[in-house]
Amino acid sequence: GESVGLHLPTLSVQEGDNSIINCAYSNSASDYFIWYKQESGKGPQFIIDIRSNMDKRQGQRVTVLLNKTVKHLSLQIAATQPGDSAVYFCAETTNYGQNFVFGPGTRLSVLP
Amino acid sequence: GAVVSQHPSWVICKSGTSVKIECRSLDFQATTMFWYRQFPKQSLMLMATSNEGSKATYEQGVEKDKFLINHASLTLSTLTVTSAHPEDSSFYICSGVPGTSDAYEQYFGPGTRLTVT
Repeated sequence: GESVGLHLPTLSVQEGDNSIINCAYSNSASDYFIWYKQESGKGPQFIIDIRSNMDKRQGQRVTVLLNKTVKHLSLQIAATQPGDSAVYFCAETTNYGQNFVFGPGTRLSVLP
Repeated sequence: GAVVSQHPSWVICKSGTSVKIECRSLDFQATTMFWYRQFPKQSLMLMATSNEGSKATYEQGVEKDKFLINHASLTLSTLTVTSAHPEDSSFYICSGVPGTSDAYEQYFGPGTRLTVT
């Protein structure tokens, strides 16, 4: 895997507002992207994925947008709740999942 | 479904000793398992990929003689940190890929926190 930065960006949002978490990926050959949620002291939890032949995918309260032109991925969380507070990682992969690379992560803090 | 467990969840060991971490897929067979380490406030870094019945593939910079990986069955992979030192203290996370899916789906374990004193 690639080395990542030491600083974890933090996003603070008010409960009930929408959250947008961004991720820039590095490999233009990546064909599959995933967002994970990691709570303190736990392993990552799958949220939503998207393949490179799509630019948008929706789940329950979450939407992932993919812009291959600028190699940018975003995760939108609607009506953010206290339980959404966690660190969110994007991951990219090529070669049918044999080369996963995780982004640096963003800490989401939901304010009451 | 697709649950991965790790044991132990937290271990403290003395410098120079070896520690074994188990990763089990509880309700699926994992032909491939990945091992990651994560330092505080940092992202996951892939250490190695293990395939059942064959030798693990290590990422650049990861010492294969220090981090021994054995994928003995379709539901169990182990990571042994040999001659552990304080700089090996980290959060170790494994993931499993179901044999019936394409290689994209990874299911992560809860992690093992290793503290070397």
